[in-house]
Amino acid sequence: AQTVTQSQPEMSVQEAETVTLSCTYDTSESDYYLFWYKQPPSRQMILVIRQEAYKQQNATENRFSVNFQKAAKSFSLKISDSQLGDAAMYFCAYRSTGNQFYFGTGTSLTVIP
Amino acid sequence: ETGVTQTPRHLVMGMTNKKSLKCEQHLGHNAMYWYKQSAKKPLELMFVYSLEERVENNSVPSRFSPECPNSSHLFLHLHTLQPEDSALYLCASSQVGAGSSGYTFGSGTRLTVV
Repeated sequence: AQTVTQSQPEMSVQEAETVTLSCTYDTSESDYYLFWYKQPPSRQMILVIRQEAYKQQNATENRFSVNFQKAAKSFSLKISDSQLGDAAMYFCAYRSTGNQFYFGTGTSLTVIP
Repeated sequence: ETGVTQTPRHLVMGMTNKKSLKCEQHLGHNAMYWYKQSAKKPLELMFVYSLEERVENNSVPSRFSPECPNSSHLFLHLHTLQPEDSALYLCASSQVGAGSSGYTFGSGTRLTVV
């Protein structure tokens, strides 16, 4: 079965600085999708960024970008110019071709003013 | 209204009560899900409905009973719960077969069993 590992339960970053959240996964599939979700105190999980495994180019969404290393099964999230509103739990997720989702345990990000 | 709406936002119930959680999606998605979120644990998939048919039931105790009357509505009926069932219950929807479509989540129901 697929597993998703987030090895950093907590991270902190100074406002306006850059932070990278780590995620690794285990799979035998060659085609799949990867996601980062943000869960602020409002509790709603919000999609931050997605990556198709067949694409070599790393996805970017404004200040958010990923470093996708398929061979290493690594999918880290980089947040540039961190803002106070970025403080939240961040979940890495894997979606198989069979539409099954697997989530990591999350990383709690604190942004220091 | 758009997105995925869950009610109630908070629920406190005794172990002998019966209550229901409601989820409604306005996105035209064809699949809906119930997840349980407990502290320091991965999200636990409870039930999956695709095209209004239950396609997955991950060994969830029978005190949790899902219902999907149509593609826009999903319920989770609760009865005789245990204190360890206290958690955040998240509903999500997605469009199966739509490539890289991810989930759209609701804001969850914070359930406390006393």
